[in-house]
Amino acid sequence: GAGVSQSPSNKVTEKGKDVELRCDPISGHTALYWYRQRLGQGLEFLIYFQGNSAPDKSGLPSDRFSAERTGESVSTLTIQRTQQEDSAVYLCASSPNIGYGYTFGSGTRLTVV
Amino acid sequence: QKEVEQNSGPLSVPEGAIASLNCTYSDRGSQSFFWYRQYSGKSPELIMSIYSNGDKEDGRFTAQLNKASQYVSLLIRDSQPSDSATYLCAVHSNAGGTSYGKLTFGQGTILTVHP
Repeated sequence: GAGVSQSPSNKVTEKGKDVELRCDPISGHTALYWYRQRLGQGLEFLIYFQGNSAPDKSGLPSDRFSAERTGESVSTLTIQRTQQEDSAVYLCASSPNIGYGYTFGSGTRLTVV
Repeated sequence: QKEVEQNSGPLSVPEGAIASLNCTYSDRGSQSFFWYRQYSGKSPELIMSIYSNGDKEDGRFTAQLNKASQYVSLLIRDSQPSDSATYLCAVHSNAGGTSYGKLTFGQGTILTVHP
């Protein structure tokens, strides 16, 4: 596609429920990244995928968070048993390869009530 | 010590002035440097990339890189109210370690251009 597409754009969920966020990167981009941004805060790295290499999961805050990517296409970020502190904007980005600038999607705003 | 530090701001400049945004980084292995603009409620947008020492100009924007001083800056000439946003500095290191493969972002500088 022309840009990085994320869905849903907004998600309100009850505490304890599981949520799944989707990211469709720019076609041909081998690297895909997930970041979290709490209100008024900076970007917090979560995980990245590069081609067929093992993902770098070093930023995932707990084992409630997981992500998958199918080949060099769509990625899903799953948060199990959501907590109020998970409320944030979840941003996906892709780049042609590591070391290049990212193109960000418009984000998913997650609100846990 | 933070890996990427930006001048804390907020920075306020009058319309038409030059806005200067600064960033220092700690990893000498850093090779790629980027500036992003983030409007309130929006996602970051890549506005400049720079890979070698010196200046790189694109319209009203100039990025400056000094690897010896581990310093990168962004100048915005003829600032406009539409330039009001948070500016994020991002750095990539090819030197391996925990930073490899992903950009390390600064906390951002809020710029306000007043008419």
